[in-house]
Amino acid sequence: EPEVTQTPSHQVTQMGQEVILRCVPISNHLYFYWYRQILGQKVEFLVSFYNNEISEKSEIFDDQFSVERPDGSNFTLKIRSTKLEDSAMYFCATPGTSGGAYQFFGPGTRLTVL
Amino acid sequence: QKEVEQNSGPLSVPEGAIASLNCTYSDRGSQSFFWYRQYSGKSPELIMFIYSNGDKEDGRFTAQLNKASQYVSLLIRDSQPSDSATYLCAVGAGTASKLTFGTGTRLQVTL
Repeated sequence: EPEVTQTPSHQVTQMGQEVILRCVPISNHLYFYWYRQILGQKVEFLVSFYNNEISEKSEIFDDQFSVERPDGSNFTLKIRSTKLEDSAMYFCATPGTSGGAYQFFGPGTRLTVL
Repeated sequence: QKEVEQNSGPLSVPEGAIASLNCTYSDRGSQSFFWYRQYSGKSPELIMFIYSNGDKEDGRFTAQLNKASQYVSLLIRDSQPSDSATYLCAVGAGTASKLTFGTGTRLQVTL
């Protein structure tokens, strides 16, 4: 049983457009993470989010990116002005209700920027 | 720069054999170590985690950790064709920390 679901599963957008990727926890989670994986490359950390605040972000997570939890449930990643190099799989992850150092990954959103 | 290194493979083993996957990491402050399995086009699936030096067994999987050598390994006994996937090594600094991933080792289990 997945800890989180993600929508949409696939998003195609034009360069310069804004996209919002959503992560929906199955249960009430406090910690969230976003990672991305460019095709053929390794999984890279973007940002961690705890108690409605960013706790850590990578150098990839520049001003074009933002995260929020608008309704206390869904967790969103927004890319304001997409670039070709933003094309990747984006994964939401969470330790789940049991906590711990491990993270369960959602099914991912494939973002294609044309 | 904190790095996690893996041989990209492919590592080819016959069905029923033991597959041995290795990983080294650069950050001595790392506290938590994970193995994920990733099928093509799918998300990483957690299969093992280990926090202390030594071995940890779970079914056909054994994770081994040697902090002094900064080395983590995964053994898969009685390999099955369904084990064919990319295995990702990930390292964290502890509870609620980000994970740093290696590039993964592609495993092929042949009939």
